[in-house]
Amino acid sequence: ETGVTQSPTHLIKTRGQQVTLRCSSQSGHNTVSWYQQALGQGPQFIFQYYREEENGRGNFPPRFSGLQFPNYSSELNVNALELDDSALYLCASSLGVDEEKLFFGSGTQLSVL
Amino acid sequence: AQSVAQPEDQVNVAEGNPLTVKCTYSVSGNPYLFWYVQYPNRGLQFLLKYITGDNLVKGSYGFEAEFNKSQTSFHLKKPSALVSDSALYFCAVRDGFNKFYFGSGTKLNVKP
Repeated sequence: ETGVTQSPTHLIKTRGQQVTLRCSSQSGHNTVSWYQQALGQGPQFIFQYYREEENGRGNFPPRFSGLQFPNYSSELNVNALELDDSALYLCASSLGVDEEKLFFGSGTQLSVL
Repeated sequence: AQSVAQPEDQVNVAEGNPLTVKCTYSVSGNPYLFWYVQYPNRGLQFLLKYITGDNLVKGSYGFEAEFNKSQTSFHLKKPSALVSDSALYFCAVRDGFNKFYFGSGTKLNVKP
């Protein structure tokens, strides 16, 4: 088990709503990345935060936004939810932006109805 | 652009037999290649990585991977499969901005 925890584990929302997912990184890790894993697919990079600043972004619209706090925990916010946003959202922490090994949480399963 | 491809959705192998899970990559520059494993209802776990050096990389749980530059492949291998190895395996490549690109995954089924 990694030290990365995510909450909630499951979430059901309706189209158009907003959602906030939370991640507590492993102790000592200052970098957090968020990934979206659709059913039957590999994880896709959403964005990365390093010391409270966004440090890279994948091909996701602006309604996907994030925050990183001084304790390096992080939030992923999604506005105006769409049906296609239904997926497993994974948080991964690492010791730094150049660290090759990611430590993943168990994810938040989001269902948009 | 960086990408990886896993041509097999599923691999079936008998316990005790060798296993191979295939991965090919496309990168600009030097490849930084990884294998991760995902068990049901769990996040991904790091298995091994290739950055530079020997083409045969050893990782966790007895797994190894062979880097082949000419074939742009990075296949995951294990000499003797265990039932407990059954899981979803992802190949990944990292770009210069520490962004990881994952393949679509290969489900490994090891039968007793």
